[in-house]
Amino acid sequence: DAGITQSPRHKVTETGTPVTLRCHQTENHRYMYWYRQDPGHGLRLIHYSYGVKDTDKGEVSDGYSVSRSKTEDFLLTLESATSSQTSVYFCAISESGSSGNTIYFGEGSWLTVV
Amino acid sequence: EDQVTQSPEALRLQEGESSSLNCSYTVSGLRGLFWYRQDPGKGPEFLFTLYSAGEEKEKERLKATLTKKESFLHITAPKPEDSATYLCAVQAGGSYIPTFGRGTSLIVHP
Repeated sequence: DAGITQSPRHKVTETGTPVTLRCHQTENHRYMYWYRQDPGHGLRLIHYSYGVKDTDKGEVSDGYSVSRSKTEDFLLTLESATSSQTSVYFCAISESGSSGNTIYFGEGSWLTVV
Repeated sequence: EDQVTQSPEALRLQEGESSSLNCSYTVSGLRGLFWYRQDPGKGPEFLFTLYSAGEEKEKERLKATLTKKESFLHITAPKPEDSATYLCAVQAGGSYIPTFGRGTSLIVHP
């Protein structure tokens, strides 16, 4: 158990509304990540953080923003949800940024945009 | 173009029928290759990290091996509880963030 809690676990929202997903970790790891997983695409990185208030974009960052005000919390916001953002979202953490940087995943948040 | 390619996409085995899953990569400067298991409705669960060609790691019925261009996940005498999607990821170059393959869905029939 990697000590990662995602909330909400399931959410249905309407197109155009803002949505925030929360990731909370108890491992005190420096690095945190948000991925989305879709059939035919696998896991794709949305945003990541390498410290409090230090974040950067991944390969599919358009339409998403993140914030990290505390080591343990990493928030993903869909500014105006679209149907293409229906997906399962995984938060992940890792201890270091060096070789063999093993990433540990949370249980996922299933988001449906209608 | 995919840097990490997993094959086959899906594999059905009978209980006890050993087989291998493949993960080929085209990156340079490999820093680590990771294998994960993912059950339906769950997040990926870490299995192994391999660092250099020739390295092998084992866990129960699973053994991961690494060459300069690919990794194999060998499953010996699988059981139905080994049914899952197996993901491969590669860390390379100056990035510490792994790139994931699309996975192999394994079903083991009793």
